[in-house]
Amino acid sequence: DQQVKQNSPSLSVQEGRISILNCDYTNSMFDYFLWYKKYPAEGPTFLISISSIKDKNEDGRFTVFLNKSAKHLSLHIVPSQPGDSAVYFCAASVSPSGTYKYIFGTGTRLKVLA
Amino acid sequence: DADVTQTPRNRITKTGKRIMLECSQTKGHDRMYWYRQDPGLGLRLIYYSFDVKDINKGEISDGYSVSRQAQAKFSLSLESAIPNQTALYFCATSDRGGSQPQHFGDGTRLSIL
Repeated sequence: DQQVKQNSPSLSVQEGRISILNCDYTNSMFDYFLWYKKYPAEGPTFLISISSIKDKNEDGRFTVFLNKSAKHLSLHIVPSQPGDSAVYFCAASVSPSGTYKYIFGTGTRLKVLA
Repeated sequence: DADVTQTPRNRITKTGKRIMLECSQTKGHDRMYWYRQDPGLGLRLIYYSFDVKDINKGEISDGYSVSRQAQAKFSLSLESAIPNQTALYFCATSDRGGSQPQHFGDGTRLSIL
């Protein structure tokens, strides 16, 4: 039972254009969402997060949008750069009794074409 | 130097062998985690520890055990390795206090023949 889904395994975008990565979830108890970026032979690195009390969070070229009614979040990268080429994971946190566990999606491979 | 260090980075071994993967961190975080990554399945939680005396099973703990030797060290053991434990293993840490981003090591690629 995949509680966090990234339905697009890959995405190609031209340099300078917008990249939109999508993530859907099924558990309405999730209260914190994160995006990680992963390069080959490295561990995932934290990119941006959003609390369930917000619907948007921005950090430079990266913006995360949360639509709670649709149980959907998206990561926008504007403008996209070749160095953004990586695998992107979304993750959701559920915190029953303060345990703060994270459920990860399967990842989307972004390729930014120069 | 890396904040979260995993050793070894690569390991090839045979079915039935005992394997230990080690993780150490210099971030001073209380919380540590072990994940495995398989193609098409994302990252799945094996075990986690919120302090030295606290060990908890994740979603796929069968066949694995862990030891939190100190705040900075968290090791993962496969007592009798089997081929379907071939995967990329990641250790992660996070700070205390609510939901916090996790900081990952660079992974251990484990192949069991």
